[in-house]
Amino acid sequence: GAGVSQTPSNKVTEKGKYVELRCDPISGHTALYWYRQSLGQGPEFLIYFQGTGAADDSGLPNDRFFAVRPEGSVSTLKIQRTERGDSAVYLCASSLYPDTEAFFGQGTRLTVV
Amino acid sequence: QKEVEQDPGPLSVPEGAIVSLNCTYSNSAFQYFMWYRQYSRKGPELLMYTYSSGNKEDGRFTAQVDKSSKYISLFIRDSQPSDSATYLCAMSAKDDKIIFGKGTRLHILP
Repeated sequence: GAGVSQTPSNKVTEKGKYVELRCDPISGHTALYWYRQSLGQGPEFLIYFQGTGAADDSGLPNDRFFAVRPEGSVSTLKIQRTERGDSAVYLCASSLYPDTEAFFGQGTRLTVV
Repeated sequence: QKEVEQDPGPLSVPEGAIVSLNCTYSNSAFQYFMWYRQYSRKGPELLMYTYSSGNKEDGRFTAQVDKSSKYISLFIRDSQPSDSATYLCAMSAKDDKIIFGKGTRLHILP
């Protein structure tokens, strides 16, 4: 089927606002990953879901960041009280099972002004 | 020491040359090794995936893993200008998150 879909592709928000970023994984993929990528850097791990549960959320930078995957498919990354330092490209990937090939979406470019 | 080390480049080579990209890592638990290609303002695209030491070939691309040295490589034969991109190595332990290198910027000169 279709690849990993992320919406919106671009988001500009004001400092202090709340944002939600959505990821639609490849159909049937059980594992879902969120990463953040700054210019000139590799993707930085945020959180990893296996099914509905967060298997590892050790990369979330602070309690302003939260992610959910209530039905084991679509995931939403939520950022409260956004700061200018949150500006980055947020990438989502999915894989059929853990330890299998992971495929990325095109990312959401978040700009906090 | 970062878990995955990758020279950021840039690396410039003439068209048709063989390109060698590599990463080192420190975590001996890593079992799964990947190479991604990323064009500007695009998501990473999976090129190669392997879980054993040795070589794996796919077209012009060869991935090499040496677990004893904690060293992985990607070779690109007959390089083309369209291969100009950032190449990211990535790896994971069993049932664990995927860790990425910083990426190497590659320029193929026509």
